[in-house]
Amino acid sequence: AQSVTQLGSHVSVSEGALVLLRCNYSSSVPPYLFWYVQYPNQGLQLLLKYTTGATLVKGINGFEAEFKKSETSFHLTKPSAHMSDAAEYFCAVSEGFQKLVFGTGTRLLVSP
Amino acid sequence: GAGVSQSPSNKVTEKGKDVELRCDPISGHTALYWYRQSLGQGLEFLIYFQGNSAPDKSGLPSDRFSAERTGGSVSTLTIQRTQQEDSAVYLCASSRARGFYEQYFGPGTRLTVT
Repeated sequence: AQSVTQLGSHVSVSEGALVLLRCNYSSSVPPYLFWYVQYPNQGLQLLLKYTTGATLVKGINGFEAEFKKSETSFHLTKPSAHMSDAAEYFCAVSEGFQKLVFGTGTRLLVSP
Repeated sequence: GAGVSQSPSNKVTEKGKDVELRCDPISGHTALYWYRQSLGQGLEFLIYFQGNSAPDKSGLPSDRFSAERTGGSVSTLTIQRTQQEDSAVYLCASSRARGFYEQYFGPGTRLTVT
């Protein structure tokens, strides 16, 4: 079965600083990988996805992620944090091209 | 266009009562998913529909949980004889088809069992 591990339940950064949220996956087949963001009392919004092709994936709101097969990682980055980036972020892997298997989430805190 | 909608947004019920949660997917989306988000368990898959059939029910936690989808559109998740551990946010998502198409999520229904 596929699984996702997100290191760090909370990450704190200052506004303007680099954002790095870590995600490692386990999969016996080539994975499809996703990052979702959840703002308070809202559903999940897709930030970006990796399916095939280019390993550096750009998403919305200035976020990007790099698929590294050798490290089984799909870390999410943003060069400069904004206060509006404060939210919970979920990494997910697609299992059998159907359901998503999610990590436990990382809450991003941005201080002025 | 309209996104995935869910109703009600909040539901408080007494232990032992039955509840129905509704999901309206994006028009034209053939795949529909239910997930549950709770503090103790994180985000868990419950059930997947392709059209009106449910080829994957593996995430339903007990036989008190059931779901149906009619007309390839609206889906209803039913929880019978609710228990306190059923308290969670129930999220619905839809996608264009089976496969790696992204899933679009609704705002969720927050269920509280007292």
